Amino acid sequence: EIVLTQSPATLSLSPGERATLSCRASQGVSSYLAWYRQKPGQAPRLLIYGASNRATGIPARVSGSGSGTDFTLTISSLEPEDVAVYYCHQRSEWPLTFGQGTRLEIK
Amino acid sequence: EVQLVETGGDLIQPGGSLRLSCAASGFTVSSHYMGWVRQAPGKGLEWVSIIYPGNSTNYADSVKGRFSISRDNSKNTLSLQMNSLRPEDTAVYYCVRGRLSGELWFGYWGQGTLVTVSS
Repeated sequence: EIVLTQSPATLSLSPGERATLSCRASQGVSSYLAWYRQKPGQAPRLLIYGASNRATGIPARVSGSGSGTDFTLTISSLEPEDVAVYYCHQRSEWPLTFGQGTRLEIK
Repeated sequence: EVQLVETGGDLIQPGGSLRLSCAASGFTVSSHYMGWVRQAPGKGLEWVSIIYPGNSTNYADSVKGRFSISRDNSKNTLSLQMNSLRPEDTAVYYCVRGRLSGELWFGYWGQGTLVTVSS
């Protein structure tokens, strides 16, 4: 199965700073990668699909990039509402897999 | 508005069976990829099962042979029959739908239902 490794495990930044989250696949997944955000006590929400396409209602300060094995989620100017765990997910091959998550904290 | 509402979570003994249901509204379940994703307490997300618009199914190895996904088009619901439950099946189970018809990105999620497998 394709293993997705996210880094860092925890990211602590101040409001207004840029957050850069990484997801590395154990083998190429082309652009079949998505990012989800899970706020405390809530279900996950789709942010980015196809590596770089924003889902409905996601602001432009959230962006995704990459292809093959290396992917990045960038939040350009952090707001308190961005506190969450972020997961990457691949649908290139069965079984579908998720990364272990990056916890984003706001100082 | 698309809504997914899961029910059926419970405390169940190891080896027991449980059936989860997901009531869908705002769309037709037969037209979309539908599935289940679970999350053990304090852990990450794990894909469990998918049913295609054409009724093909797929399962994670960890549940293959024990879990069965199905759809009732007349009731517009999705179900997950879980047999031979193990303590490691303890998790919140989320019902998910593809973002668009024919697309597999999990664009919609229910609020989840908790399954606890313990004696």
